[in-house]
Amino acid sequence: SQQGEEDPQALSIQEGENATMNCSYKTSINNLQWYRQNSGRGLVHLILIRSNEREKHSGRLRVTLDTSKKSSSLLITASRAADTASYFCAVETSGSRLTFGEGTQLTVNP
Amino acid sequence: DAGVIQSPRHEVTEMGQEVTLRCKPISGHNSLFWYRQTMMRGLELLIYFNNNVPIDDSGMPEDRFSAKMPNASFSTLKIQPSEPRDSAVYFCASSLILAGGRNIQYFGAGTRLSVL
Repeated sequence: SQQGEEDPQALSIQEGENATMNCSYKTSINNLQWYRQNSGRGLVHLILIRSNEREKHSGRLRVTLDTSKKSSSLLITASRAADTASYFCAVETSGSRLTFGEGTQLTVNP
Repeated sequence: DAGVIQSPRHEVTEMGQEVTLRCKPISGHNSLFWYRQTMMRGLELLIYFNNNVPIDDSGMPEDRFSAKMPNASFSTLKIQPSEPRDSAVYFCASSLILAGGRNIQYFGAGTRLSVL
């Protein structure tokens, strides 16, 4: 079964707008993480939310987790051109296994 | 720390040749992961080491692929013989996983492999 499916696959917004990306998964998790990947680079960890948490903030990032719906969302507020990247959710399950989704490609137009 | 270091950054080879990718994890990390990323299949976990021991190699495509971790500061991923369908970006990541802890991974810059 596919874990960490992101929605939408691609998102294009104007600078200053908010960007929301969603992630769904299928099994019980220990935590859910979001990563960013700039073109031609490796993934960079952004934020982790534990299974017993519902919301977490880090700077302009806001992550929510609904374990009853097995879904999470990543909100980037006041987006900048530098936020242009692919964003991946990753679910950590038993045995510390981390499974990545297919990513959302975010384009922020100046 | 310099982060996870991978070499080479780019590799172009001909079908049938042996390819060796290298990775130096972050000092003090106890887990190392090899991934392959393609447009078609996304990010795939190939193999996972914990304390230099392979824990899960179920993602290794076939016997042409092998990985080693002779010590805590070095790992290799070898493809022999290489095929055009192996063309992809290969990432190495490391993590410090403690008992009951979290698996936050730090990625290298990747090796872009092209097999002609």
